[in-house]
Amino acid sequence: DTAVSQTPKYLVTQMGNDKSIKCEQNLGHDTMYWYKQDSKKFLKIMFSYNNKELIINETVPNRFSPKSPDKAHLNLHINSLELGDSAVYFCASSQAWDRTNYGYTFGSGTRLTVV
Amino acid sequence: AQRVTQPEKLLSVFKGAPVELKCNYSYSGSPELFWYVQYSRQRLQLLLRHISRESIKGFTADLNKGETSFHLKKPFAQEEDSAMYYCALKEGAQKLVFGQGTRLTINP
Repeated sequence: DTAVSQTPKYLVTQMGNDKSIKCEQNLGHDTMYWYKQDSKKFLKIMFSYNNKELIINETVPNRFSPKSPDKAHLNLHINSLELGDSAVYFCASSQAWDRTNYGYTFGSGTRLTVV
Repeated sequence: AQRVTQPEKLLSVFKGAPVELKCNYSYSGSPELFWYVQYSRQRLQLLLRHISRESIKGFTADLNKGETSFHLKKPFAQEEDSAMYYCALKEGAQKLVFGQGTRLTINP
């Protein structure tokens, strides 16, 4: 039973298209994140939601819009895709108050290729 | 400003040799640090956290506040340790900032 699941796993699309990536966690965590891993494997936070409320928004172009319908789901919608958006996008979740066991649980990633 | 630095992008050692993956951080408060590992074609997994002072898969990491370091060590490398390793620093209540990652290759 996958703890953090992302769909789709692979996404190939043309420049200018709009696409969405979905993420769901069944851990009961209160915080969810989107990270981008570029071609050099550098991981950078994009967004974070805590109980459906946006708490981190890291200088990401506004073509990227996260949506959290409930605390178990965090989706990422990308408008007008550009070549530079090609990357692996990771969803993650954590439980903020659990200091002893704090850590992210990651999804398996979505490899987005813009052609 | 870079808050977590992993100076080696690539590290290659022979099986049975000791391994040390370096991580340095800059943080004004009391740091909480983590090591994450990503095996080939798998998701990132938490390897260990400094607060737990644990040893996982033979790896340990000690927080050295004087040197602002959190190096990951293993006395005898195994082939299955080949992976991408990320050091991470917790900033604020919930955000993890990751280093650039070190690709560790264990040669037979």
